[in-house]
Amino acid sequence: EAGVAQSPRYKIIEKRQSVAFWCNPISGHATLYWYQQILGQGPKLLIQFQNNGVVDDSQLPKDRFSAERLKGVDSTLKIQPAKLEDSAVYLCASSLIAGGQDTQYFGPGTRLTVL
Amino acid sequence: EDKVVQSPLSLVVHEGDTVTLNCSYEVTNFRSLLWYKQEKKAPTFLFMLTSSGIEKKSGRLSSILDKKELFSILNITATQTGDSAIYLCAVAMNRDDKIIFGKGTRLHILP
Repeated sequence: EAGVAQSPRYKIIEKRQSVAFWCNPISGHATLYWYQQILGQGPKLLIQFQNNGVVDDSQLPKDRFSAERLKGVDSTLKIQPAKLEDSAVYLCASSLIAGGQDTQYFGPGTRLTVL
Repeated sequence: EDKVVQSPLSLVVHEGDTVTLNCSYEVTNFRSLLWYKQEKKAPTFLFMLTSSGIEKKSGRLSSILDKKELFSILNITATQTGDSAIYLCAVAMNRDDKIIFGKGTRLHILP
């Protein structure tokens, strides 16, 4: 069974530039999560999708971050414009049903550095 | 405010030692507590706990949940250098299926 795929693996941009991350969850997984993990901290949930609907985006900085999962499969997370404090690893995870009722499987993450 | 607190934040022990990692939580509508191991980038799932007092075991790792005192422990016996990692505790809530992670415990095993 293929795991959660993410790209790119690394990205370096300057502040005020835009960046987009892509995630392909495990086939058949209805729930998709985007997390931000700053060095030395645990993952912080940015947004959770159930199929193509948003379940929780309370911690997503909506003035600069956006995410979509149009067909209920792949998802993209965008930052526009990026700030220095956005430097982090962005993790995508998926689960068959809602998290906590089923195991979340994490992708390898994208390490973003904002200069 | 919902929160998950792990302790210690970091721990250095020698190979063969036994370690106990702690996770306490204050959340509304608790559903389950999860432990993950994070070595490089992606956390890998270890345990999911939903009931108090029932120990879950996987090799040298075990975990138990106390829903009355609102904490869980993760034990690792006869530690090996390959156990060096960040161990993350997360709590899932029924409300909006929300999950909150603790900051993790960074464990380093010396040979």
